[in-house]
Amino acid sequence: AQSVTQLDSHVSVSEGTPVLLRCNYSSSYSPSLFWYVQHPNKGLQLLLKYTSAATLVKGINGFEAEFKKSETSFHLTKPSAHMSDAAEYFCVVSDSNNNDMRFGAGTRLTVKP
Amino acid sequence: GAVVSQHPSRVICKSGTSVKIECRSLDFQATTMFWYRQFPKQSLMLMATSNEGSKATYEQGVEKDKFLINHASLTLSTLTVTSAHPEDSSFYICSAQTGAVQETQYFGPGTRLLVL
Repeated sequence: AQSVTQLDSHVSVSEGTPVLLRCNYSSSYSPSLFWYVQHPNKGLQLLLKYTSAATLVKGINGFEAEFKKSETSFHLTKPSAHMSDAAEYFCVVSDSNNNDMRFGAGTRLTVKP
Repeated sequence: GAVVSQHPSRVICKSGTSVKIECRSLDFQATTMFWYRQFPKQSLMLMATSNEGSKATYEQGVEKDKFLINHASLTLSTLTVTSAHPEDSSFYICSAQTGAVQETQYFGPGTRLLVL
């Protein structure tokens, strides 16, 4: 079965500095990988997804992630953090043989002025 | 883009009563819908997967008689929490997809349930 580990439960950055949210996955089949963002008391919004096309995936709001099979990683990055980026971020993996999505524990991003 | 709505957004009920939560795909047909539960400051846990016209498939540890799921049409799925208890208080989130394997799931805004 597939699983995902988000290595940091909380990341704090200053506005304007780079963001790195780390995610490692485990999958028996060719995985699809997703990053979702959840603002307080809101639903989840898809930031980006990887489905075996280009390994560098660009998403909304300036975020991007790189699929590295050798490292089983799918880290989320953004060159310059904005105050509005403060939220909870979930890395999600889905196997190629089913629709089950397994969520990571989440990383809370705090952006300081 | 694909929009999924949930109703109600918040509900407070007395212990022992039943609560129904609706999940609708507004601009696409959702062959498959998923129900998740999220406890405070925790990740989402999949409760069940429902395909239109079929019985839902429940995850291990989820009581199917307590959490009744109906997916009667391609745009509507309902979750009914029967005989609710305070420990059922949680944030319930649905998602919908067209049904193709690895197709993106689109999430609803969630329903916060508080059982007194």
